[in-house]
Amino acid sequence: QKEVEQNSGPLSVPEGAIASLNCTYSDRGSQSFFWYRQYSGKSPELIMFIYSNGDKEDGRFTAQLNKASQYVSLLIRDSQPSDSATYLCAVNGNNRLAFGKGNQVVVIP
Amino acid sequence: SQTIHQWPATLVQPVGSPLSLECTVEGTSNPNLYWYRQAAGRGLQLLFYSVGIGQISSEVPQNLSASRPQDRQFILSSKKLLLSDSGFYLCASGTGSFTDTQYFGPGTRLTVL
Repeated sequence: QKEVEQNSGPLSVPEGAIASLNCTYSDRGSQSFFWYRQYSGKSPELIMFIYSNGDKEDGRFTAQLNKASQYVSLLIRDSQPSDSATYLCAVNGNNRLAFGKGNQVVVIP
Repeated sequence: SQTIHQWPATLVQPVGSPLSLECTVEGTSNPNLYWYRQAAGRGLQLLFYSVGIGQISSEVPQNLSASRPQDRQFILSSKKLLLSDSGFYLCASGTGSFTDTQYFGPGTRLTVL
């Protein structure tokens, strides 16, 4: 089983809709979880992080963590064309970050 | 806030040639430093990390090496490049705690021909 898994395939959402991204991880001892956004040809930039079970909101972004089920999700509300990017899930374990392969989001005007 | 510099931004090198990529960090002290490679369709792969000057941990055995001659300088090297070394090389800086938030530099896109 891969350390961090994200759903494959691009996600197309109409402008103004909610984009939902999911990520599962294998290390039950992981304590911190991160979402990065990466525009094509650019380096990843941090969107938000979450450490505790439940929801954490930052502007139009909400991260949700469920340690018992070992998944973390990201919701993007009121999606904008500028949200079109690849979203990377990262999980802290063994003193390093393990990254998923990413989910491409395409927001259709 | 910290700023991470990487150079060069792009590089085209022949197979068998040497490589030196440099990363410097401003605005923080004693950072943990990381080298990642992102190849097409493969996600981010951690290559090396360093918790201090002269301290290097290798994640993947290969023909690459890393050095940290100064607190905020991290260098990735190779004596002989392979075709498989092509990719997007990213330097990252973090605090090293369990809440370690890593920030990335702009990256170097390397093409080996």
